[in-house]
Amino acid sequence: AQSVTQLDSHVSVSEGTPVLLRCNYSSSYSPSLFWYVQHPNKGLQLLLKYTSAATLVKGINGFEAEFKKSETSFHLTKPSAHMSDAAEYFCVVSLQDDSWGKFQFGAGTQVVVTP
Amino acid sequence: DTGVSQDPRHKITKRGQNVTFRCDPISEHNRLYWYRQTLGQGPEFLTYFQNEAQLEKSRLLSDRFSAERPKGSFSTLEIQRTEQGDSAMYLCASSLVRGLAVDNEQFFGPGTRLTVL
Repeated sequence: AQSVTQLDSHVSVSEGTPVLLRCNYSSSYSPSLFWYVQHPNKGLQLLLKYTSAATLVKGINGFEAEFKKSETSFHLTKPSAHMSDAAEYFCVVSLQDDSWGKFQFGAGTQVVVTP
Repeated sequence: DTGVSQDPRHKITKRGQNVTFRCDPISEHNRLYWYRQTLGQGPEFLTYFQNEAQLEKSRLLSDRFSAERPKGSFSTLEIQRTEQGDSAMYLCASSLVRGLAVDNEQFFGPGTRLTVL
């Protein structure tokens, strides 16, 4: 079975400070992993994806994530938070069993950015 | 706008009524997915289509739910005899899948928010 666990349901950061959103995965296969962001009243938007190429993946808006197989982690980081980063973030695994290509979402991490 | 569109964006209905939602995927995409998202949770898979064929339905999808994708283009999701527990955001996504690739990005629509009174 494949799954993702987001370790923090809420993260609060000050503008200009680093952001770290933690995600652990479970997979019998070499996983495909994604981070999506959901702003209020807007659709889910892809931030970045890992597909067994480079382990450090760069995404949009200054976000990046590092795939660590030994730790089964895919944490999302940004060096300096901006007010516009306030949103909900989802870690996603693409299934590779009988339901291949189907997404399984983590529970989400709500990010609050304070001035 | 060539993204995924959903209609309506909001729907308020009374318990026991039927509702139908529409999703228009990105035109060349062969896969179309439906998800349900409740407050404070991640989206949960409901069903998906490869072209016009419905390949899988989640156990979340009771007999009151039905989805179609005639001609492999737009899709509809119908809920019959709505219940208050059906209140949620219903999300549609599409992707272009080739072979056994599992790294295909899904593109999401803005969702339809259903409120059952």
